[in-house]
Amino acid sequence: DQQVKQNSPSLSVQEGRISILNCDYTNSMFDYFLWYKKYPAEGPTFLISISSIKDKNEDGRFTVFLNKSAKHLSLHIVPSQPGDSAVYFCAASEGGANNLFFGTGTRLTVIP
Amino acid sequence: DSGVTQTPKHLITATGQRVTLRCSPRSGDLSVYWYQQSLDQGLQFLIQYYNGEERAKGNILERFSAQQFPDLHSELNLSSLELGDSALYFCASSVGRVLNTEAFFGQGTRLTVV
Repeated sequence: DQQVKQNSPSLSVQEGRISILNCDYTNSMFDYFLWYKKYPAEGPTFLISISSIKDKNEDGRFTVFLNKSAKHLSLHIVPSQPGDSAVYFCAASEGGANNLFFGTGTRLTVIP
Repeated sequence: DSGVTQTPKHLITATGQRVTLRCSPRSGDLSVYWYQQSLDQGLQFLIQYYNGEERAKGNILERFSAQQFPDLHSELNLSSLELGDSALYFCASSVGRVLNTEAFFGQGTRLTVV
C-alpha cells in the first residue's frame, strides 16, 4: 500500500514560470517530509524538507508547503529553469523511524 | 557527488544466479540504507544497518540479505534471482541511527536479470 502518492507522473512548464509538484500521504503519523531530485543515471539528491510543526519552508527558488489536515504537500519552484528538469520524489518519515517512504516521482520538464 | 559510492553501476545476470552489490557510505556516516526502485515505482525500503548491526527491515525478500562490515561498507546479496528482481538498487547513508534528516544516496546499481 503506497503511503506516499504522487499522482502526476509528469509535468511540463515554461522557463520562468512556476512549477508546482504535489504529494499526498495517508499516514497521519508522518512528521517529516522531504523532496528529492533525481537526474538520469544519478541517485536522488536531497532538495528541501519540512517538519510537521511548520506549514512552509523556503530555500531560494524552492518552497515546500504542508497542509496537515489535507495530508498534502507541494513543492513550488519559482522561477523554473531548464536545469530543474528532473524527476522529483516526495518522501516522508515517522518520528523515530528508520525509513523514508517515497512516492513514485513526478518528471518535471522545463521548456526553454 | 554525494560521497556515497556504489559498485558495480550495472549488472546483468541470469535467473537463478546470485549477485552482491556494494556500498561505501559517506565518511562519518554510520547508517546505511538499501532501497529498490522497480520500473515506475517509488523507492522501496529494504533494510538499514547502523554501525554494523541491523536496525530496521522493510520489504526485503528472504532471498535477499545484507551486512555492514567493520569499515562500515555494506553489501546487499541477492540470490535465486528472478526476472522481477530487475531494478535499480540504491544505497543511502546518514549520520545517525534514526532517519530524521536527509539521507545521501549513491548513484545506484542497475540490475538486469535475463
